[in-house]
Amino acid sequence: ETGVTQSPTHLIKTRGQQVTLRCSSQSGHNTVSWYQQALGQGPQFIFQYYREEENGRGNFPPRFSGLQFPNYSSELNVNALELDDSALYLCASSALLAGGSYEQYFGPGTRLTVT
Amino acid sequence: GENVEQHPSTLSVQEGDSAVIKCTYSDSASNYFPWYKQELGKGPQLIIDIRSNVGEKKDQRIAVTLNKTAKHFSLHITETQPEDSAVYFCAAKGSGGGADGLTFGKGTHLIIQP
Repeated sequence: ETGVTQSPTHLIKTRGQQVTLRCSSQSGHNTVSWYQQALGQGPQFIFQYYREEENGRGNFPPRFSGLQFPNYSSELNVNALELDDSALYLCASSALLAGGSYEQYFGPGTRLTVT
Repeated sequence: GENVEQHPSTLSVQEGDSAVIKCTYSDSASNYFPWYKQELGKGPQLIIDIRSNVGEKKDQRIAVTLNKTAKHFSLHITETQPEDSAVYFCAAKGSGGGADGLTFGKGTHLIIQP
């Protein structure tokens, strides 16, 4: 077990709705990254948060947004849900050091289904 | 951006035999290459990683090799056991400080035949 927790485990939403997913990082880690994993594919990087600010972003539209809190936990928000947003959403925590952030430890994920 | 290709997509080996999974990457600036194991219904688990200043790393039955010139890296599992059955992902990370996420391959479904 990595110590990274995510909630909820599963979620069903309707197209056009908004969703918030939550992540608690591993003790001692100050950085949280979010990934989207479609069925049968590898995870795709959405964005990373460090010191409560977005620190890097992948190729995802602005309707994907996030927050990081002082205790390093994080939220992923998705507005105007589309059918293609159905996926496993993974949170990964890591320690950002002077040389960069390397080992990322994943939580179990939240399975989002958009109907 | 970075692109990671992974082969094969499915690999079936007899219990006790070795398994090798190969990946190539496109960005010569990438400097970190982890491997993850994902079991059904779970998140990816980091099993081994290697940085660009090292050519090989071993941890018990698992080893990773890196060829920076050819831009490819491989995972080697020896003496495979039933519990090694899972989907394995390779990934690469650029050198943009902490701001770069990992770029993953599409995964290899490893099946260990008893």
